[in-house]
Amino acid sequence: QQPVQSPQAVILREGEDAVINCSSSKALYSVHWYRQKHGEAPVFLMILLKGGEQKGHEKISASFNEKKQQSSLYLTASQLSYSGTYFCGTEFSGSARQLTFGSGTQLTVLP
Amino acid sequence: DSGVTQTPKHLITATGQRVTLRCSPRSGDLSVYWYQQSLDQGLQFLIQYYNGEERAKGNILERFSAQQFPDLHSELNLSSLELGDSALYFCASSIDSNSNEQYFGPGTRLTVT
Repeated sequence: QQPVQSPQAVILREGEDAVINCSSSKALYSVHWYRQKHGEAPVFLMILLKGGEQKGHEKISASFNEKKQQSSLYLTASQLSYSGTYFCGTEFSGSARQLTFGSGTQLTVLP
Repeated sequence: DSGVTQTPKHLITATGQRVTLRCSPRSGDLSVYWYQQSLDQGLQFLIQYYNGEERAKGNILERFSAQQFPDLHSELNLSSLELGDSALYFCASSIDSNSNEQYFGPGTRLTVT
């Protein structure tokens, strides 16, 4: 089953914060986050594994709530370069290592 | 530049035809993944190969097939093409078959007319 991402779209001003959520109805083994700019390939941001720690990458961090089967991506002090579509990809417990992607969250950062 | 290469960049063909998309993974990566991205379906996992063997299968149609060769490059074959097969096809690679980051190629845009 496809994970559900929210919100579908968000518009920010430079320097503002945003949170993107990803939830699954099935038990998750891992959550992967990618960013895709228009006309380009998805770019890896981070992976969160079941039982693992919260990850961070500069001003972008993420958490994984195993009880709720949810992950959240936190973008702080957003920059213009953060604009793009963010996808979460989920791996389910017990399945082969394949990612099921959410429908994406379109993030626009305005000056 | 992710290090993953895909050819061709664009492909325009007619319904009923067959095409082959090619992917070369990053140096050292053993796993190759194929994805289809269309406006109404999002990013859909098709199939994964690891060191020449099929490892996982997603929503891949029977008209589609793939293989990974000894030099680790991979080909995705699409046959009896339909209008609905028009999409962006991405190849990604990772170092092994576990939960590692995947590096995506630039994609092949297929248009079926």
